[in-house]
Amino acid sequence: DIQMTQSPSSVSASVGDRVTITCRASQGISTWLAWYQQKPGKAPKLLIYGASSLPSGVPSRFSGSGSGTDFTFTISSLQPEDFATYYCQHTKSFPFTFGQGTKLQIK
Amino acid sequence: EEQLVESGGGLVQPGGSLRLSCAASGFTFSLYDMTWVRQAPGKGLEWISYIGNSGDPLHHADSVKGRLTISRDNAKSSMYLHMNSLRVEDSAVYFCARVESGKYDAFDIWGQGTMVTVSS
Repeated sequence: DIQMTQSPSSVSASVGDRVTITCRASQGISTWLAWYQQKPGKAPKLLIYGASSLPSGVPSRFSGSGSGTDFTFTISSLQPEDFATYYCQHTKSFPFTFGQGTKLQIK
Repeated sequence: EEQLVESGGGLVQPGGSLRLSCAASGFTFSLYDMTWVRQAPGKGLEWISYIGNSGDPLHHADSVKGRLTISRDNAKSSMYLHMNSLRVEDSAVYFCARVESGKYDAFDIWGQGTMVTVSS
């Protein structure tokens, strides 16, 4: 099975800051990687697919990059509504493992 | 509007059974693979089951294999999770989600979740 390791597990930042989260796969997954945002009590929301593509309607301050085993997710300028937990997930092969999550908190 | 709505959660004793449902609307259900993801209280997301658009292939996480089984009824635009031999550690919010093959199989539409509590 492919394991996904996210870091950091939590980060504190202020509105307007740039924040980067990393995700490492235990073996190569090409660009079969997605990023999700989850707010308390809500379902996850897809933010990035194919490691770097944004679904329609997702703000351009969100971006992703990487291929193979190392990936990054960046919010260029934090907005108040961005404080949430973020998860990476691979879809290269079954089981489709998620990272452990990164909680983004207000500083 | 494309939407998924889960139902069927509740309180069940260890060793008991439950069937979760996921009703789809606003899109052609039979064209999409579907999946279940769960989240234990205060924990992260765990993928558990996947079903192809016509009912196969089926894939389950090792943690649920042999106890939880995914199925679907395209005529009813619905997917199900049949849960047997339930354990305390199966307590979680269960989400259904749509798999978008055009987006590297990312989960692009999610339901609101249904809570399952396994306790005596």
